[in-house]
Amino acid sequence: AQKVTQAQTEISVVEKEDVTLDCVYETRDTTYYLFWYKQPPSGELVFLIRRNSFDEQNEISGRYSWNFQKSTSSFNFTITASQVVDSAVYFCALSEALTGANSKLTFGKGITLSVRP
Amino acid sequence: NAGVTQTPKFRVLKTGQSMTLLCAQDMNHEYMYWYRQDPGMGLRLIHYSVGEGTTAKGEVPDGYNVSRLKKQNFLLGLESAAPSQTSVYFCASSYPRGLVDEQFFGPGTRLTVL
Repeated sequence: AQKVTQAQTEISVVEKEDVTLDCVYETRDTTYYLFWYKQPPSGELVFLIRRNSFDEQNEISGRYSWNFQKSTSSFNFTITASQVVDSAVYFCALSEALTGANSKLTFGKGITLSVRP
Repeated sequence: NAGVTQTPKFRVLKTGQSMTLLCAQDMNHEYMYWYRQDPGMGLRLIHYSVGEGTTAKGEVPDGYNVSRLKKQNFLLGLESAAPSQTSVYFCASSYPRGLVDEQFFGPGTRLTVL
């Protein structure tokens, strides 16, 4: 069975600080996908990134960057120069690529990030 | 495009009452999902559908039923609501490009069962 662990439950930083959100996953499959979603106070879920298990290149998108390390089964998310608008709950999720293209997601419990001005 | 919409946004039920949550998507997605979100639990999959007329159980299906009579709609039913079903319910849809694609989520339905 697949599992996603987000050990940090709440993080509080001051604006402009860098912050890293940790995600550790477990799966028996060799082919799988990892996701990060953001849930701002308004409640909707916003897709941030998808990464497949064959692509270990780190990715950067503006102030956001992701570090995928298969050796440690981790897919960590870093926000550089955090802003108040980054305050949200962040979810890491895992999907195994099953026959029939069935993308069931297993979510971590989420990390509540508070960025103080 | 409206994306994924959910009806209603809020609902309060008494124990034993029934209700149906409606999810609609206008993106021609094949797959649709129902999740529930509880404090400290993340999102858990209730039921899902890989196409019109097909449904399957997820992680926490007990007490819920679903139907996918039309490709664009996915209904979640509670036949006899219980306080344990107080939660925020999210619908999602996806279109499989390759093996797995990102899911697009609706705004959620906040359900309280008294």
